[in-house]
Formats: sequence, C-alpha cells, structure tokens
Amino acid sequence: KAGVTQTPRYLIKTRGQQVTLSCSPISGHRSVSWYQQTPGQGLQFLFEYFSETQRNKGNFPGRFSGRQFSNSRSEMNVSTLELGDSALYLCASSFLAGHEQYFGPGTRLTVT
Amino acid sequence: DAKTTQPNSMESNEEEPVHLPCNHSTISGTDYIHWYRQLPSQGPEYVIHGLTSNVNNRMASLAIAEDRKSSTLILHRATLRDAAVYYCILRDFDSGYALNFGKGTSLLVTP
Repeated sequence: KAGVTQTPRYLIKTRGQQVTLSCSPISGHRSVSWYQQTPGQGLQFLFEYFSETQRNKGNFPGRFSGRQFSNSRSEMNVSTLELGDSALYLCASSFLAGHEQYFGPGTRLTVT
Repeated sequence: DAKTTQPNSMESNEEEPVHLPCNHSTISGTDYIHWYRQLPSQGPEYVIHGLTSNVNNRMASLAIAEDRKSSTLILHRATLRDAAVYYCILRDFDSGYALNFGKGTSLLVTP
C-alpha cells in the first residue's frame, strides 16, 4: 500500500498571503488529522476529519481551516499568513479515529 | 488532558536493550497509552500501544505498571536506526483521540 502523501513538500509564501496544503491518506483510511511542528512549540494537533466532517479541533486561530473530500483526501488552508506560521505541517491518516496514525513526510512552509 | 512526563534524553549502546520510561500519574481508566517516535527529518511513526496489559510487537514491548501510573517502552536491541525522539501519549475518547505530543525523549544510540 502506498503511504500518506503530502503536496507540495516545500513552499515559500509571503506574509499576508494564503496557502493550501494537500494530503492523500492511505487507501481505505477514513480519518485524516493535521499537525503543526515548530522548534518552539513542538508537534501540535490542528484538526481531524472523518467522513468529510471535522470531528476534533486543536487550539489554533480561525485562520487555519481544513476540509475532507468524499475520497478521504484532505486539504488545509491558512489565510493571512504570519511569520509564525512557518512550520512543518504533517498529515496523518488512520482507519478509524483512535487507531494508530500513519504520518506523511510533511510540507515545509516558510513565510517571509 | 492527562499529561505524561518523560526524560529529555537518554543514551544507549548499539545492540543493548533500552528502557524508555514514562510517568502518567493522572491517567484515567479510559486512557490508552500510545508510543510514537520521530526519526530525523521524518514524520512520526507509530510504535506500540496498550491499555492495561503488557504488549509486544515486532518493534518493541510496552510494560505497563499495575496501577497504570507509569509505563516503559522497551527496545530489545537498539540499532543506530532507533535514534529518534520517542513520545509517550495518552489517548481517550473525550479528547477525540487527538495525539497530544509532549517534548518526548531524545534517544541517542552509539556504536
């Protein structure tokens, strides 16, 4: 089985712009979660989607949003980018919520 | 959320067993104990999980104290590839099973 894929792998944006990141889960997995990793805050949970519905949300501002499509693929969007949004964004999929999560390689976002 | 406490770093020699401790004194009866690890420049990787009984899989063993206030991840023979940050995480239904990563333990394996 192919693993979790994330596109793009690297991205450079300017402050104030918006960005969309994409995640394709492992085939058959219906739950997709997103995480942000920074040197200062470590790995932080953003949100989780299951069957196109957001089931859980971390403590992030409304500028961070996401969605899941009927084929379980997911996107996350960050609007009005700030310098502090520079981070590695990781997507993880699992068969069901609560099952072990399988992580993608991440998208490295740099905001200048 | 229930919290875990892990040493910041540990060191092991290659081919020796490694015991990575985790304290979770406020664990609730419905919390599952999960371990993930993150190798350099990679996303986290699932290692093992358990509820009350000790668990074994091809990667590691998980020993859970009888009162569930602590657990230990055991790597039976450390290899250089096991050098990573190891995270002990409590997951439960009330938190939507979100993985709340702490700072983890950075394991150094020396030849």
